[in-house]
Amino acid sequence: TQLLEQSPQFLSIQEGENLTVYCNSSSVFSSLQWYRQEPGEGPVLLVTVVTGGEVKKLKRLTFQFGDARKDSSLHITAAQPGDTGLYLCAGAHSNYQLIWGAGTKLIIKP
Amino acid sequence: GAGVSQSPSNKVTEKGKDVELRCDPISGHTALYWYRQRLGQGLEFLIYFQGNSAPDKSGLPSDRFSAERTGESVSTLTIQRTQQEDSAVYLCASSPNAWTGELFFGEGSRLTVL
Repeated sequence: TQLLEQSPQFLSIQEGENLTVYCNSSSVFSSLQWYRQEPGEGPVLLVTVVTGGEVKKLKRLTFQFGDARKDSSLHITAAQPGDTGLYLCAGAHSNYQLIWGAGTKLIIKP
Repeated sequence: GAGVSQSPSNKVTEKGKDVELRCDPISGHTALYWYRQRLGQGLEFLIYFQGNSAPDKSGLPSDRFSAERTGESVSTLTIQRTQQEDSAVYLCASSPNAWTGELFFGEGSRLTVL
């Protein structure tokens, strides 16, 4: 069974702090996606990483794909209340099957 | 509309009743997924459609669950004889190319079975 372990499961921090969320697997992925889901909404794609070692930045969010394409991290700098949500990672194997992490519930307190 | 549309957004039903959930994907998207999401949890794969190919039904939890899609259009997920454990949000997603892993989700249908 292929797994994508996401940690931490829950994180509650103060506005302005930094945080990192991790996704780890023993499988090699052709690409990995990060999604954010807000209450009552469906997940929204934030980024896709494809190349080992790739780093992508989206304003205060930095996404990194591991060199071996088995793991990824999401770093948020100076977190804001608007960053609150459920963060999901998903790994693709060049077919339609996606392996989903269980999600990280992030709460940013003002 | 421009996005994936799901209906109903909320459905409350009694145990034993049948329910039908509808998904209208983004026009031109050949791939369509159904997922189930229990409260506070991640996504559970249910079924995948790709064009006119045979669907992957490997995620359907029991024979009470079925889904249809005609071509690249609307899909319906039907749950027969609903049970309380079926209570969840049912999410539909479409993609122009499933191989990329880039999915566009609807807002979901929240099902509550009393």
